[in-house]
Amino acid sequence: QQQVKQSPQSLIVQKGGISIINCAYENTAFDYFPWYQQFPGKGPALLIAIRPDVSEKKEGRFTISFNKSAKQFSLHIMDSQPGDSATYFCAASANQGGKLIFGQGTELSVKP
Amino acid sequence: GAVVSQHPSWVICKSGTSVKIECRSLDFQATTMFWYRQFPKQSLMLMATSNEGSKATYEQGVEKDKFLINHASLTLSTLTVTSAHPEDSSFYICSARLGGLHTQYFGPGTRLTVL
Repeated sequence: QQQVKQSPQSLIVQKGGISIINCAYENTAFDYFPWYQQFPGKGPALLIAIRPDVSEKKEGRFTISFNKSAKQFSLHIMDSQPGDSATYFCAASANQGGKLIFGQGTELSVKP
Repeated sequence: GAVVSQHPSWVICKSGTSVKIECRSLDFQATTMFWYRQFPKQSLMLMATSNEGSKATYEQGVEKDKFLINHASLTLSTLTVTSAHPEDSSFYICSARLGGLHTQYFGPGTRLTVL
């Protein structure tokens, strides 16, 4: 019940295309859903996060879509660029003091 | 804002020695810090949660006597890998959180190689 399932494991997108990464969870106590971007040999960097009281949040080319009833959320990267090539992790936590539960990660490659 | 640093960025040590990794929150006071390890092509695995001035809470399966965590101030936490062995070779990452908020800010990570 504590798991966050992420898919796909890897993704190849052409430059200018839309990258979509999906996550699903079971624990209805989760109330914070961040996405992190990680480049090789670096720590994860917070990209964007959402709370369950909204269905969508957009920051620049990055959008989170959240479906509370389906217990799913996704990251959309519009106009994908080669510089977006990285590993993306979704995560979830509960009750402010809760630890982050990470998805398995998606390795995104954007081809020029 | 919200910068977390780690030192060293990489370390190579001999089997049986101890290694200390520092994690600092540079521009905010972190009431809670977390330590993760990450193997190649895998997700982050939480090792322990530390609150300033109290003992760390370790995740199941993590040896607290092997991975010593100290959170002596609101801006500094340390992880000491004692009697390191080659299987301890990994990427260790810390994160810090301001009290009352969800957001965790991650450090750049420390690559540990045990020969």
